[in-house]
Amino acid sequence: DAMVIQNPRYQVTQFGKPVTLSCSQTLNHNVMYWYQQKSSQAPKLLFHYYDKDFNNEADTPDNFQSRRPNTSFCFLDIRSPGLGDAAMYLCATSRDPADTQYFGPGTRLTVL
Amino acid sequence: QKEVEQDPGPLSVPEGAIVSLNCTYSNSAFQYFMWYRQYSRKGPELLMYTYSSGNKEDGRFTAQVDKSSKYISLFIRDSQPSDSATYLCAMRGYGQNFVFGPGTRLSVLP
Repeated sequence: DAMVIQNPRYQVTQFGKPVTLSCSQTLNHNVMYWYQQKSSQAPKLLFHYYDKDFNNEADTPDNFQSRRPNTSFCFLDIRSPGLGDAAMYLCATSRDPADTQYFGPGTRLTVL
Repeated sequence: QKEVEQDPGPLSVPEGAIVSLNCTYSNSAFQYFMWYRQYSRKGPELLMYTYSSGNKEDGRFTAQVDKSSKYISLFIRDSQPSDSATYLCAMRGYGQNFVFGPGTRLSVLP
């Protein structure tokens, strides 16, 4: 009965090699979020989709892109990962932007 | 000054103790407040969600909001080793994104 699923749980990539992280949800929520969380830090919002509307945070690097092909799935693409992009990437969903957010288990990205 | 601050800990308590976790914030527009629990290498799990000032209780957990002081608390009664985790507060104003605190790491010792 998992509600927010992230794949893979662990991802290792090489410096500069594109990588895609996946998130799916069974809650039929309208909003899907991507956060970056580094060790002992708060989750940092990268962007979110409200239905098909994409909302990018002002300080999210261009290296990070996202796609939401349908209600259930959302992808995070990192075009050229740098060492500083190693982190836990969290996907979250909510019914609407004012509602509580439900998180997936996260994908831990390592960049070699 | 960061928008949301938490004592990073780690906070170590013996099993059965009452734990108090706190966040302070600077934005007086915040009116929605959440507490999440995050186990090591896992995603945050929602514990409590409160609106505006006041108290909310759920089992061993009580959330308290004092908007006049810009201060929120999470109390855990009869703490258990399974409560050992990082606790994140999050808050937002009307029409705004949620802002997270950096988290407080709690260890409950058997």
